Amino acid sequence: GENVEQHPSTLSVQEGDSAVIKCTYSDSASNYFPWYKQELGKRPQLIIDIRSNVGEKKDQRIAVTLNKTAKHFSLHITETQPEDSAVYFCAAHSPGTYKYIFGTGTRLKVLA
Amino acid sequence: KAGVTQTPRYLIKTRGQQVTLSCSPISGHRSVSWYQQTPGQGLQFLFEYFSETQRNKGNFPGRFSGRQFSNSRSEMNVSTLELGDSALYLCASSLVAWGPLGDTQYFGPGTRLTVL
Repeated sequence: GENVEQHPSTLSVQEGDSAVIKCTYSDSASNYFPWYKQELGKRPQLIIDIRSNVGEKKDQRIAVTLNKTAKHFSLHITETQPEDSAVYFCAAHSPGTYKYIFGTGTRLKVLA
Repeated sequence: KAGVTQTPRYLIKTRGQQVTLSCSPISGHRSVSWYQQTPGQGLQFLFEYFSETQRNKGNFPGRFSGRQFSNSRSEMNVSTLELGDSALYLCASSLVAWGPLGDTQYFGPGTRLTVL
């Protein structure tokens, strides 16, 4: 069935370093890949997304890359700050399914 | 524009009881999805509604049900509660009916259900 694998499950980085989170999806028809950030006790918030017709997208310190051949996509956060500490979820959408499949999340800790 | 709202925010129930959770989408959004979030399990898809019709359902027992009203507000119901139903229940709304290149979902704050 449809599946999204997300790695690593936890990630600790020093403030100012970069963080990379990777997701692999199983359905080759998937065409939309959002990333959500969830702080403790809060709702998931969309931080960036990418559609299958582009290979990379940037928004300030955040970027997402997509490799359709390998069926994986990655979140890159540069110059990390303590407020980047949260759980990050990737997701994949396939046409006609009316749902996202979410990864199991990555707990990012940025150490000051 | 007001965001997605959910009521109640917290619920405590005992095994065997039933519960109804409510979700009001962003104004103009017609698609509402529900997810169960538990530690270590991430977000598990429950169901999606559009124009009062359930278009997809996740792998949950029949005790989990939902509906959508003509104003796009949605409710989900869990009957005969079990301890394992304790979780954060999130709803999310989106504007259009899942266009060919996907559609952004916006989440509500969730309802934290505790089953004793």
